[in-house]
Amino acid sequence: NAGVTQTPKFQVLKTGQSMTLQCAQDMNHEYMSWYRQDPGMGLRLIHYSVGAGITDQGEVPNGYNVSRSTTEDFPLRLLSAAPSQTSVYFCASSQHGGQYFGPGTRLTVL
Amino acid sequence: GQQLNQSPQSMFIQEGEDVSMNCTSSSIFNTWLWYKQDPGEGPVLLIALYKAGELTSNGRLTAQFGITRKDSFLNISASIPSDVGIYFCAGQLGGGSNYQLIWGAGTKLIIKP
Repeated sequence: NAGVTQTPKFQVLKTGQSMTLQCAQDMNHEYMSWYRQDPGMGLRLIHYSVGAGITDQGEVPNGYNVSRSTTEDFPLRLLSAAPSQTSVYFCASSQHGGQYFGPGTRLTVL
Repeated sequence: GQQLNQSPQSMFIQEGEDVSMNCTSSSIFNTWLWYKQDPGEGPVLLIALYKAGELTSNGRLTAQFGITRKDSFLNISASIPSDVGIYFCAGQLGGGSNYQLIWGAGTKLIIKP
C-alpha cells in the first residue's frame, strides 16, 4: 500500500490564483480530512469527509472547497489564493480512529 | 476552536532521560491518540487508546487513557537522539464514522548535546 499520497509537494502561487491540492489513499478508508499547519502551531481542520459524496466544514473552511466523488480521492481547492493561506497542508485518512497522514504540500502564496 | 491543553510546550532533556508529557481537556473523549512529527514530514501515529484506564506501550513509549476520559499522558523512557521532534495528542469526541479529532498544540522535544 502507498498509504496517503499528496501532490504536489511544493507550490508557489500568486495572490488570486486558484489551484487544487491532490490527496489519494489506497486503504479503502471512509474518513478523510484536510488540515493546515502554520509554523510552530498544531493542526487545524479545514474540511473533512465521512464517505464518498459527503463533506463537511472543519475549523477553518473559508477560502477552500472540497469534493469526494470516490472513496480514494479527496482534493482540496483554493478558489482565490491569499498570502494568509501560506501554510503546510496535510491530508489524512482513517477507518478506526487513528488518522494516517500524507507527507504534506508546502504552499507559498506571494 | 476547541483544543486540548498539552504540556509542556517544549522540553530540553539529556540523552538517556525519561520524558513525560500530557494532555487535558474539559471534554470527555472516546479515543486518545499520540503522534510524532519530524521536520518536513506529516505526523505519524505512535499509540492509539480506546478505553478509559487503558495503558499501552510501543517500545520505549507508554501512553495511558485517563480514567476520567479527559486526559492522557505519554512517557518516553531512556530518550535517544531520534526521539527529537514534536509530539501531538489528539482526542476523538464522537463515534460512528466521524473520526474528527481535537488536537493539542504539541510538545517539542529537544535533546541537549
